Amino acid sequence: DAGVTQSPTHLIKTRGQQVTLRCSPKSGHDTVSWYQQALGQGPQFIFQYYEEEERQRGNFPDRFSGHQFPNYSSELNVNALLLGDSALYLCASSLGTTTYNEQFFGPGTRLTVL
Amino acid sequence: EDQVTQSPEALRLQEGESSSLNCSYTVSGLRGLFWYRQDPGKGPEFLFTLYSAGEEKEKERLKATLTKKESFLHITAPKPEDSATYLCAVQARHSGYALNFGKGTSLLVTP
Repeated sequence: DAGVTQSPTHLIKTRGQQVTLRCSPKSGHDTVSWYQQALGQGPQFIFQYYEEEERQRGNFPDRFSGHQFPNYSSELNVNALLLGDSALYLCASSLGTTTYNEQFFGPGTRLTVL
Repeated sequence: EDQVTQSPEALRLQEGESSSLNCSYTVSGLRGLFWYRQDPGKGPEFLFTLYSAGEEKEKERLKATLTKKESFLHITAPKPEDSATYLCAVQARHSGYALNFGKGTSLLVTP
């Protein structure tokens, strides 16, 4: 049973650049959420995609955007990178139609902004 | 505003020394409380979901319990491989699908 996969594993960018991170959900899941985890902190919710639409958004600026494809995979895009965007970016998949949707996380993408 | 506070921040145990991790929460309309384990540089691994006060769940050496204000993760006779950061998260009815995480408890179990 394939779990959640993310690519790339690590990424180094400079301030002002743009980055795209990718996620494939666990087999059978149709919903993807993105989280940002700074060092020593718990993950923070960025947004969730269901049926190719952004269903819910956390308290992040619109420099953060995303997309979900018909095969349920998803991308996270961050424009105009800031030093403070350096973090572990986590993708979590779940079943969108259930009331209590347990979220299963991928290994993350470590983004470093110089 | 919803709050999730985990204590202690760090815990060091000897192998076989049982203990408990605490997750206190202030949430109006709890939909679920989730426990995850996270190894360094990796994504969180799902452990348990608890939905209502009084509920308990067990998995190997771990047992999670829930009251109206807090959850405990009891670790019985831990082994060095239980060393990790344990994260607690809540999902509230008013906040939809987002998980609101605490900062975690870093557990080190020494032989």
